Order: sequence, then C-alpha cells, then structure tokens
Amino acid sequence: GDSVTQMEGPVTLSEEAFLTINCTYTATGYPSLFWYVQYPGEGLQLLLKATKADDKGSNKGFEATYRKETTSFHLEKGSVQVSDSAVYFCALSDWGDSSYKLIFGSGTRLLVRP
Amino acid sequence: NAGVTQTPKFQVLKTGQSMTLQCAQDMNHEYMSWYRQDPGMGLRLIHYSVGAGITDQGEVPNGYNVSRSTTEDFPLRLLSAAPSQTSVYFCASSYVSRGLNTEAFFGQGTRLTVV
Repeated sequence: GDSVTQMEGPVTLSEEAFLTINCTYTATGYPSLFWYVQYPGEGLQLLLKATKADDKGSNKGFEATYRKETTSFHLEKGSVQVSDSAVYFCALSDWGDSSYKLIFGSGTRLLVRP
Repeated sequence: NAGVTQTPKFQVLKTGQSMTLQCAQDMNHEYMSWYRQDPGMGLRLIHYSVGAGITDQGEVPNGYNVSRSTTEDFPLRLLSAAPSQTSVYFCASSYVSRGLNTEAFFGQGTRLTVV
C-alpha cells in the first residue's frame, strides 16, 4: 500500500542554518505530495504542495521538488528562523481501488536555536 | 468561515466508557478523515469517507466506528474506551476530484485520556 517515510528527528539547527528534511514515498498511482507544519498545540497547516513530477512547491522560504525517479519530496530552506520550530509532516494523496486517501509520514520535529 | 470544527477539545474517559468525537466542516468537502497522533508515530489514519453514506477503514480502525449521514458531519465513536486509545485525535477534510488533489484542512484536535 501507499506509504510515506520521513527522516527521524529531532533536527536541531542554529538560526540561519540550511535545512533539509528527507521524505520518500511509495504509491500505486500518481500521487500529489504535501508538506504540512504543526506548531505547538495546534492542528496541521499546509506548507506547500506539488501535484505532478518535477513540480516545485514553495512557501515562506521553504521548497520541495517532486522527484518521481527517486520517489522523493525533500523539504529545504536556505536560512531557518527560531519561528520555524515546529513538527513537519510529509504526506501524499492518491487514488487506489477507486478510493481516495491522504497518508502522512511520522513527522520530523525541528528546533531552531537563536 | 469556521473551517473544520472539532468538539470537545479535551476529554477524560474511564476504561469501558463510550463517547463520540464530533467533527463538522462548512466547506462542502467530500473527503473527511480521522487521524490519531501519538508520540513518535506521526498521524495514523483511523477511518475516512469520500462522501455521504460512504466510509472505509484506514490503518488503525479497531475500536472505532464512523458514519457519514451528511456532507458536513463525520463523528468518530469509541465503543468501549481503552487506555491504548489515549491520544490526540484530528479530523480533516478536503475537496477531491480524480486528477485534482487539494489541501486538507484540519481541526484543532481533541486530546483524549482514558484512565
């Protein structure tokens, strides 16, 4: 079945450091890919998305490129801020057996220190 | 614009009690789903629905029931609560059409403790 695998956290960085959070997926169809962010005590919010191969999603300085050949959707940011501290979830949506599913990875906690 | 509303925000149950977690959305989304979030486990799909009258099991459905009588509401029922069901529960909804996938909107979560 469909699945999403993320790098384990926590990831601890100093402010202005470069961020990469790895995400790979398996899917039977042609999924759309997402990154969601969860701030403490809140629900998940969409950060960015890509709906087909080679698409690049971007938002708030974060980027991720849909790589079908490597089944990956790694999240990057050139210079992180303390306010980026949160849990980041990679997710895919897909149609399988005529039914739609939205599946999440295990999440990666990011801690940015001043 | 309320989005996705979950109630209650917090709940403590005794083992064996039953309860219903409520979820309502006002965006006319076809797809609704329930997840539980446990430390180190991410979000695991419990049940989902692609429209009124249609529900299906996710990854961890045991001990939970759902129904979808309207587009707006998707309640999650715990039949006989167990300590293993202590978790944070999230409801999500999205518009979906084959070939067009859009973002999911999440509720604020329900923190459930079973003692």
